[in-house]
Formats: sequence, structure tokens, C-alpha cells
Amino acid sequence: EAQVTQNPRYLITVTGKKLTVTCSQNMNHEYMSWYRQDPGLGLRQIYYSMNVEVTDKGDVPEGYKVSRKEKRNFPLILESPSPNQTSLYFCASRRIGYGYTFGSGTRLTVV
Amino acid sequence: GQQLNQSPQSMFIQEGEDVSMNCTSSSIFNTWLWYKQDPGEGPVLLIALYKAGELTSNGRLTAQFGITRKDSFLNISASIPSDVGIYFCAGQLRDYGGSQGNLIFGKGTKLSVKP
Repeated sequence: EAQVTQNPRYLITVTGKKLTVTCSQNMNHEYMSWYRQDPGLGLRQIYYSMNVEVTDKGDVPEGYKVSRKEKRNFPLILESPSPNQTSLYFCASRRIGYGYTFGSGTRLTVV
Repeated sequence: GQQLNQSPQSMFIQEGEDVSMNCTSSSIFNTWLWYKQDPGEGPVLLIALYKAGELTSNGRLTAQFGITRKDSFLNISASIPSDVGIYFCAGQLRDYGGSQGNLIFGKGTKLSVKP
């Protein structure tokens, strides 16, 4: 089944403890992206990648890192999470010129 | 920056009713997308529109790409309980060179069942 898989679905962590949210797609899509969704603010792009080893900042990149060492994987790294990064995170992938397919989301709480 | 105005923000439906929602922008887009998000899940692509004036259906859903390329609407005919959720429009610019075409999301239309 064609899909974007992200893990974990739920995560509670403490301020400052590094964490990684994994994302994998099996559709050979060139583009991958991370979004965060917050009430009243909608979906905001954090980082995106156009292909292996090619990444760029989205609208809200501060406090996040990404890497794209393989085409299928695009992990999101929070080196020192803070409470304002508590949010619902979505990974997404797409072919050039087409719309994004989203994962099921990761609900992150930073205490 | 670019913004999409999606309306209505919320609406209540009774089973069997037709539903309409729309998105407008001051900017021109090359692609319009409509997504639905169920609670606790990621947005799911319903309809993608790639050409001005295009009218596309997906079952009971119909969407149109406005002729000015600055707007789009989504209609749901004969609504059923599982239509409840949040619907997002998104306008996308063309991918070019080594850069992604910017993708802008509306704030969503929340569809609920009338009590």
C-alpha cells in the first residue's frame, strides 16, 4: 500500500531531551516535507526536501533539523525541545507537480 | 505573504443536504488541492485541479479551479455522516528549477452534524 509512515504517533518528552521523529515513504517521491499543525494557525511548513541531500527551510524552521540521506526517509530532529514545540506534526511526500500525501501524524508534548 | 481565505469556517449539516465551501486568494496559483482531515489523522487528498476552469468530480465531491486562478470551490452532494471532518483547500505554485512551488493552506472548514 502506498503510504507515508511516521513514528511514533504519540510522544511525551522533557525540555532539552533530543528526539527524532522518523518518516518513510514507499512511493519513490522526490519531495518530502514536515508540517506542524496548531489550533488557529493551520498547517505550517517546517522543512522540505526536493531530493536526496537537498533540503531547505520552510516557514517555521527554528529549533528543528532534518536530513535526507536516502530518498525514502526524512527524519525530523529536535536537538533541544521546548514547550512551544508541543504540536501535531505531519510528514508528507509528493511527486514533482502533484499534491502531498500526508502521514497519520505525531502528537508531541514537551513538558 | 500569500494567504488563502477559506469560508465558511464551520458549518452544520443535516444528512442529505448539499454543502459548498470555497477558497479565495489575491495570488494566482497553478494547482488547487482539496484535503479532508478526520480527527487524529493526517489530511487526505480528495481532489487535485491543475488547469484554470477545470471541474473535477470524485464521487459525491465536485471541485472547480476558478477561471481567474485565484479561487476554487468544493461541493459535496447529498451529505452523509462520514462527511464530517475538516476540509482544507491549498493553492500551489509550479515547481521550478531547483525550488519547490510554494504550497499555501487555507485555515479549514469544519463540517459537523446538526444536533
